[in-house]
Amino acid sequence: GQQVMQIPQYQHVQEGEDFTTYCNSSTTLSNIQWYKQRPGGHPVFLIQLVKSGEVKKQKRLTFQFGEAKKNSSLHITATQTTDVGTYFCAGSGGYQKVTFGTGTKLQVIP
Amino acid sequence: DGGITQSPKYLFRKEGQNVTLSCEQNLNHDAMYWYRQDPGQGLRLIYYSQIVNDFQKGDIAEGYSVSREKKESFPLTVTSAQKNPTAFYLCASSMGQGPGYTFGSGTRLTVV
Repeated sequence: GQQVMQIPQYQHVQEGEDFTTYCNSSTTLSNIQWYKQRPGGHPVFLIQLVKSGEVKKQKRLTFQFGEAKKNSSLHITATQTTDVGTYFCAGSGGYQKVTFGTGTKLQVIP
Repeated sequence: DGGITQSPKYLFRKEGQNVTLSCEQNLNHDAMYWYRQDPGQGLRLIYYSQIVNDFQKGDIAEGYSVSREKKESFPLTVTSAQKNPTAFYLCASSMGQGPGYTFGSGTRLTVV
């Protein structure tokens, strides 16, 4: 079945440093979604990418979808303490059923 | 406000007992999902439903059962056959092709 892996599993950064998490799928995806889960909370949808090579920005967050539609990345510029949480990618290979990645837990040191 | 309500937030049960987790949405979403999250891990799909009176097994359906008698409701029963039921259970919904899932705030189940 479809597998979605994320690296790194954990990342500690000093406040103000940049952060990137990478997502790789074993199969070609029709779209990829990104979620953020704050400690003790539930996942919150951030964005969906659909097109090959697509790049989208949300303030300090930049999302990319690979040309082959098998990988994606999330980059945060100048991290803040409010960025703390676990970031999940979720890939869809077909109608409605998505597979969540393993997640990257981000810790920001003030 | 539209959203997904999961109840209760915390649930304690004795080993061998069945327990039902509630999930209600007023978003008029067609599809609903149940995920399990273990500490420090990702989300694993238990069951999903794309339409009333129909549902499919996810990746870890053994020991669980669901029903979808109403569009708004998708309860999950954790049966005594589930070997390791202690976990964080998340319900989600989506409208057709999305984008994105809306999650409830989750139920933390502890079996002692």
